[in-house]
Amino acid sequence: NAGVTQTPKFQVLKTGQSMTLQCAQDMNHEYMSWYRQDPGMGLRLIHYSVGAGITDQGEVPNGYNVSRSTTEDFPLRLLSAAPSQTSVYFCASNTFTFGQTNTGELFFGEGSRLTVL
Amino acid sequence: GEDVEQSLFLSVREGDSSVINCTYTDSSSTYLYWYKQEPGAGLQLLTYIFSNMDMKQDQRLTVLLNKKDKHLSLRIADTQTGDSAIYFCAETDTSGTYKYIFGTGTRLKVLA
Repeated sequence: NAGVTQTPKFQVLKTGQSMTLQCAQDMNHEYMSWYRQDPGMGLRLIHYSVGAGITDQGEVPNGYNVSRSTTEDFPLRLLSAAPSQTSVYFCASNTFTFGQTNTGELFFGEGSRLTVL
Repeated sequence: GEDVEQSLFLSVREGDSSVINCTYTDSSSTYLYWYKQEPGAGLQLLTYIFSNMDMKQDQRLTVLLNKKDKHLSLRIADTQTGDSAIYFCAETDTSGTYKYIFGTGTRLKVLA
């Protein structure tokens, strides 16, 4: 029962460094997404994907890249980290085929807390 | 664009009822959700309601939807200390945008 797995849980970066936040799900979900959570601002959508090879921008995509080479994985890349990217990042997934058996519930990972100095 | 608003804080005494409110702007919202986030954890679905419903009850939880005012509320009866958490309202539609819009979250503090 792994669900959505995010790594690392904690990371400290210096300004200008790059890194990748990993997200993997074992539920065969087509839809995967990345959010950032900041105090007083709730969750804001960074990027999302509706299937392997397909990605699209969310509300706050600048400074982040994504790719979706497999159904299971959806990594989030920070090419040149900035202090404004200090946040908690959540990956979430779903099948997005709404209907009798799917309410559209998003399944979340436990989060990755990133600090950029 | 779409927006979902919530008050940031709510404090109640143990045993009282809690009411968390949410307003949304997207009239095409089809599914509306309440998620709970405990400290250091991800979000977990608490309950949901379809836009063609006015009310949904699930044990201690009651969700009310006023489509005319675009207002959603979550009532927790007999609030317990274990209910202390952040509660997020969220909405999405089935038009194919695949975007879920979350509110700012309401931090509920239950006083013993």
